[in-house]
Amino acid sequence: EIVLTQSPGTLSLSPGDRATLSCRASQSISPTSLFWYQQKPGQAPRLLIYSASSRATGIPDRFSGSGSGTDFTLTISRLEAEDSALYYCQQYGNSPPYTFGQGTKLEIK
Amino acid sequence: QVTLKESGPALVKPAQTLTLTCTFSGFSLSTPGVGVSWMRHPPGKALEWLAHIRWDDAKVYTPSLRSRLTISKDTYRSEVVLTLALMTPEDTATYYCARMGPNKGLDPWGQGNPVTVS
Repeated sequence: EIVLTQSPGTLSLSPGDRATLSCRASQSISPTSLFWYQQKPGQAPRLLIYSASSRATGIPDRFSGSGSGTDFTLTISRLEAEDSALYYCQQYGNSPPYTFGQGTKLEIK
Repeated sequence: QVTLKESGPALVKPAQTLTLTCTFSGFSLSTPGVGVSWMRHPPGKALEWLAHIRWDDAKVYTPSLRSRLTISKDTYRSEVVLTLALMTPEDTATYYCARMGPNKGLDPWGQGNPVTVS
């Protein structure tokens, strides 16, 4: 089973700042198998990034993904209050289980 | 517009079987490359992927729950059904379904169906 470890657990930043969220895999995965989701309180998760670096439909270009091998990053520039949420990475590799990270909580002060 | 909605019980007794239905619109499960996945989110824990069914009726399950899970589809009714047998309090969670497209991203998700085992 591939374990995804996200860091930091909580990130507290101000509007206009840049957020850098990390997702580290226990073994190398293909970039096409790495996804990022955003979940706001009381809402279902929403796909932000697929294939490690491609934005999903309707996602603003403030959100960007990068990485390869075992290290992947979600960067959110020009933070807005509405970006307060939990962020999860997920891998969809060659065999199940298709695991999620434990999440990073982003707080906008 | 693609939408999905989960339906099922809110409360289940231990040892019972949970049956959840995902009713969707805006896409067809007969389209190549399309599938529907089920996930759950236990309180205070990480999201957990459970199972997936593809347009060609191929099914994939998370190994740890394989003996208890069953996923099926009714293409004409635009429904995907998930059953989880032998429920325990550890299965208490919000259960979600989502469409999986050709890029394998889960998009969009349903609103979720909270289930308590007690």
